Amino acid sequence: QVQLQESGPRLVKPSETLSLTCTVSGGSISVYYWSWIRQSPGKGLDWIGSINNGGKSNYSPSLKSRVTMSVDTSRNQISLGLSSVTAADTAVYYCARVPKWELPPDYWGPGMVVTVSS
Amino acid sequence: QSVLTQPPSASGTPGQRVSISCSGSSSNIGSNPIHWYQHFPGTAPLRLIHSNSQRFSSVPERFSGSKSGTSGSLAISGLQSEDEAHYFCAAWDDSLNGPVFGGGTKLTVL
Repeated sequence: QVQLQESGPRLVKPSETLSLTCTVSGGSISVYYWSWIRQSPGKGLDWIGSINNGGKSNYSPSLKSRVTMSVDTSRNQISLGLSSVTAADTAVYYCARVPKWELPPDYWGPGMVVTVSS
Repeated sequence: QSVLTQPPSASGTPGQRVSISCSGSSSNIGSNPIHWYQHFPGTAPLRLIHSNSQRFSSVPERFSGSKSGTSGSLAISGLQSEDEAHYFCAAWDDSLNGPVFGGGTKLTVL
């Protein structure tokens, strides 16, 4: 059974970079695409971006200038970086597996609350 | 405001059948399949339905999905107390070139 787990700092200061890691167990990350999705307080789910091991990636236009993603097959991890954060970036951040490009995710992590505050 | 529109809440009594709607547009549901998920807050969302109406393995037959035009729905028959959870829909969006999601529906079993 595939399992995903997000990890990283739960508190980030304004203007700094949010850095999260998703560790995947129960399967190789080489075959699939991987997404980061977030849910701000009181709002719905928003796609941040997706990436695969082959270098294909796509990011939400509203976040593209601030987002970086990478895949580390040696550690079975996917990382997310979001620069110049503000309070509006406070959210629950989820990583998720995408079985095929142009499909929604199938497996998700439990999510991680990240707060942007000084 | 979510791209896909769902009612914020739904309810039913044990044994009843409830339905949750998901409305989108031509760039998402109108041209791509709907997925449905069950979510207990604080845990990982669980996949229920893919390709509009196909249950993922181990999902009870009580759960079913359908789609017509730019809308879809999730139906739960024989409602059980353990079905009390949040449910949300998702679909690929051709304009965004990424997935879009519904705002979620909180199902209460009375």
